[in-house]
Amino acid sequence: GEDVEQSLFLSVREGDSSVINCTYTDSSSTYLYWYKQEPGAGLQLLTYIFSNMDMKQDQRLTVLLNKKDKHLSLRIADTQTGDSAIYFCAESDQGGKLIFGQGTELSVKP
Amino acid sequence: NAGVTQTPKFRILKIGQSMTLQCTQDMNHNYMYWYRQDPGMGLKLIYYSVGAGITDKGEVPNGYNVSRSTTEDFPLRLELAAPSQTSVYFCASSYHDRAREQYFGPGTRLTVT
Repeated sequence: GEDVEQSLFLSVREGDSSVINCTYTDSSSTYLYWYKQEPGAGLQLLTYIFSNMDMKQDQRLTVLLNKKDKHLSLRIADTQTGDSAIYFCAESDQGGKLIFGQGTELSVKP
Repeated sequence: NAGVTQTPKFRILKIGQSMTLQCTQDMNHNYMYWYRQDPGMGLKLIYYSVGAGITDKGEVPNGYNVSRSTTEDFPLRLELAAPSQTSVYFCASSYHDRAREQYFGPGTRLTVT
């Protein structure tokens, strides 16, 4: 079945760039997503990329997609303490339902 | 416009008790979802609904039931609570099934002891 894998933790210094990586298995996914979860809150869609794109930039966020390796990454430029959260990668299965990774906890140190 | 609301925020149940987790959305979304999130894990889909009167099982439906009598409401029922159902439960809704954006509620933290 479909599977989405992420590393569990990432720690960076304020002002540095953060790169969160994700691998997925379903090559038929139409969209791939990045969600952010702040403590005690639900998930919030950060950005998504259509599967025929290689890159998408949205202000401080850059999403890179390598379809051959089924690898997705999220780069946050000039990381701030307010970016500390858990980031989830997700793919949509053939029925349109989301398959989530385990989440990467980003810790930003001042 | 409240988005997706869930009640209660927290609940402690004894083994064998039953309860209903409430979920309401005011965005007129057709699609609604229930997920559970266990510590250190991603979200697992329990049940989903593509419209009033239509529900279907997700990845982990055992021990749960749902109903969808209106577009706005999608309650999740636990009939015989078990410790394995200790989790955080999230309700979400979306306009269409390609899930370009699912809007999530704040979650219900459930402990079964």
